[in-house]
Amino acid sequence: NAGVTQTPKFQVLKTGQSMTLQCAQDMNHEYMSWYRQDPGMGLRLIHYSVGAGITDQGEVPNGYNVSRSTTEDFPLRLLSAAPSQTSVYFCASTRRQGRNTGELFFGEGSRLTVL
Amino acid sequence: AQKVTQAQTEISVVEKEDVTLDCVYETRDTTYYLFWYKQPPSGELVFLIRRNSFDEQNEISGRYSWNFQKSTSSFNFTITASQVVDSAVYFCALSLYNFNKFYFGSGTKLNVKP
Repeated sequence: NAGVTQTPKFQVLKTGQSMTLQCAQDMNHEYMSWYRQDPGMGLRLIHYSVGAGITDQGEVPNGYNVSRSTTEDFPLRLLSAAPSQTSVYFCASTRRQGRNTGELFFGEGSRLTVL
Repeated sequence: AQKVTQAQTEISVVEKEDVTLDCVYETRDTTYYLFWYKQPPSGELVFLIRRNSFDEQNEISGRYSWNFQKSTSSFNFTITASQVVDSAVYFCALSLYNFNKFYFGSGTKLNVKP
């Protein structure tokens, strides 16, 4: 059971570089989301999607871009990395109806360092 | 606006002690859901419980229990007879009825010492 798969697990970037964090889920969840975790700040929502072709901003969207072309995949793009984007990123998915509604399934996290 | 506050940044207890993690939430909506997640030192996030705003019954699962009180906007988590394996960061979270956004508290780090 793969669940939510994130890649890469670790990445070091230089300021100004771009990159994409990949997220895939095999549970047919409508809802997918990206969070960043910073010390003392909990998890903050970056972007979310309630289905293929539908995305919206969360609490801290600036500097990030997302798309949802399939139910399974929800990549997060850093357009021009900044040191303030050094963080641990989590992808999560859930059902919005039916059994286990709202229970977020998380990926293992991606630790990003921007120099 | 929605907000979740976990005022306890870090708690240290000795094994077998009981410990309560506090969670206070803010929302003007009448339909919402509350959650607790555990993040052990290995870093993954694990779902513990979901509670909807219409169900104020306390819940017990083994050594874990949850106390939901709408009157005080609190959803506290108690671990009875704590064990070293309970050492983790615990997050409380809130979502409205449509599950579009989830709002997390800043987390409480629990250290259980042998």
